[in-house]
Amino acid sequence: DAKTTQPPSMDCAEGRAANLPCNHSTISGNEYVYWYRQIHSQGPQYIIHGLKNNETNEMASLIITEDRKSSTLILPHATLRDTAVYYCIVRAAGATNKLIFGTGTLLAVQP
Amino acid sequence: GAGVSQTPSNKVTEKGKYVELRCDPISGHTALYWYRQSLGQGPEFLIYFQGTGAADDSGLPNDRFFAVRPEGSVSTLKIQRTERGDSAVYLCASSPRGATGELFFGEGSRLTVL
Repeated sequence: DAKTTQPPSMDCAEGRAANLPCNHSTISGNEYVYWYRQIHSQGPQYIIHGLKNNETNEMASLIITEDRKSSTLILPHATLRDTAVYYCIVRAAGATNKLIFGTGTLLAVQP
Repeated sequence: GAGVSQTPSNKVTEKGKYVELRCDPISGHTALYWYRQSLGQGPEFLIYFQGTGAADDSGLPNDRFFAVRPEGSVSTLKIQRTERGDSAVYLCASSPRGATGELFFGEGSRLTVL
């Protein structure tokens, strides 16, 4: 599976949009981009995933560049409860859902 | 609740002892995963079960680590002759057959080896 690169930390003001970048320049055509987050002392939580098109759900939006070498997770109105480590993961389509986590981005939402 | 349940939530043991960690997946989920997370790191894959069989155990660090899932539901991670370096949070996750990458994680079992 392709490797991802994320900034180690970011700050965001409460109520503003949080834009978390991820670089996956070696991504292959059949590899999906997944985002998970992990709030302190909890297990990781699935947020969203996509292949080529932008995706939106009740939690966030995922914007994938046309060349698929990078993506951005957008939390439209960040709250203090969104403070967490956010992981960007690339995974090939296949029978296993094994995910390889990196070190992620610690998003700190400030009041 | 209906989520993934892990017990114990905390375990303190002495170096050299044997430890078992239990995972109850979401009912009906055929796939089960074990991960290990050290402080400041992302979760590290250990083993994956599809039903009763270990489909991928490439992440188990050495032969002191073993996991079973005899009836395709509950799984037990077993660690023999524990070492201080085994101290970590052990996470379990499950997913339905055919799912496209959404894993449901438990809260983890924190293991401390003194």
